[in-house]
Amino acid sequence: SSALTQGPAVSVALGQTVRITCQGDSLRIYSASWYQQKPGQAPILVIYGKNNRPSGIPDRFSVSSSGSTASLTITGAQAEDEADYFCNSRDSSGYHPVFGGGTKLTVL
Amino acid sequence: EVQVVQSGGGLVQPGGTLRLACTGSGITFSSYEMNWVRQAPGKGLEWISYITSSGRTIYYADSVKGRFTISRDNARNSLFLQMNSLRVEDTAVYYCARERRNVGATFLDYWGQGILVTVSS
Repeated sequence: SSALTQGPAVSVALGQTVRITCQGDSLRIYSASWYQQKPGQAPILVIYGKNNRPSGIPDRFSVSSSGSTASLTITGAQAEDEADYFCNSRDSSGYHPVFGGGTKLTVL
Repeated sequence: EVQVVQSGGGLVQPGGTLRLACTGSGITFSSYEMNWVRQAPGKGLEWISYITSSGRTIYYADSVKGRFTISRDNARNSLFLQMNSLRVEDTAVYYCARERRNVGATFLDYWGQGILVTVSS
C-alpha cells in the first residue's frame, strides 16, 4: 500500500477541467510533485512545489494543497493529457521519496 | 542533449543476480541525490533505494533490504543497483531518477528510460 492515496481513475470531456487528488499525512509537511506517464514510457515531471513547471509543460497544469491533500488540476484538458498521473512526496520521516498509487486520466 | 541511459536488465532465474547501471550525458549526477524506482507490470511506482551525492547515506525499501545494493561513481556520472537473491516478485521495469531540491520542494526531475527485469524459471 502507498503512504500517499490517489483515486484509481477519472475522466474528463475534451476542453473541460479535471482535478486529481493525493492524500497523505506527509503532505502536511512536504509539498507534492506530479508525474505523467504514458503507456510504455518513463514518467515525466509535470509540476512541483507551488506551480513550478519544467520547460515544455503547458500552463494548463496547476496544483493546490490543503492540509493532507494535494491536487493537480488540468484546465482545458487535451487529448494528449490522457495518461497515468502519480503524486510524489517524502515519506513521513523525510528520508526518501514515496509515491501515490496513480490515477488513470481518460479524456473523452 | 540530456540523456539518462540505463543498461543491465534481462531475464534471470529466481535466486539469481543482476547489476543495473544508469549513466547521464548532458546532465550532472554528482551533485545530486539519486533514486531507483520500479514498476511491476500494470502497477504503480515503487521507490526502492536512495543515495546521497557523496554516497555516505543510503536507504532501502523493506522489500529489497539485504538483497539489493545501491552505489554510484561520480567520476563516471553513473549510478548502479546490484540485485541479488532475485525473486519472482522483483519482476518490474526499473528506473533511475535524479532528485532535486528547489523552492522548498523535492522532486525527481530526470528519469532513465526504464529497463525490464524479469525473474522467472
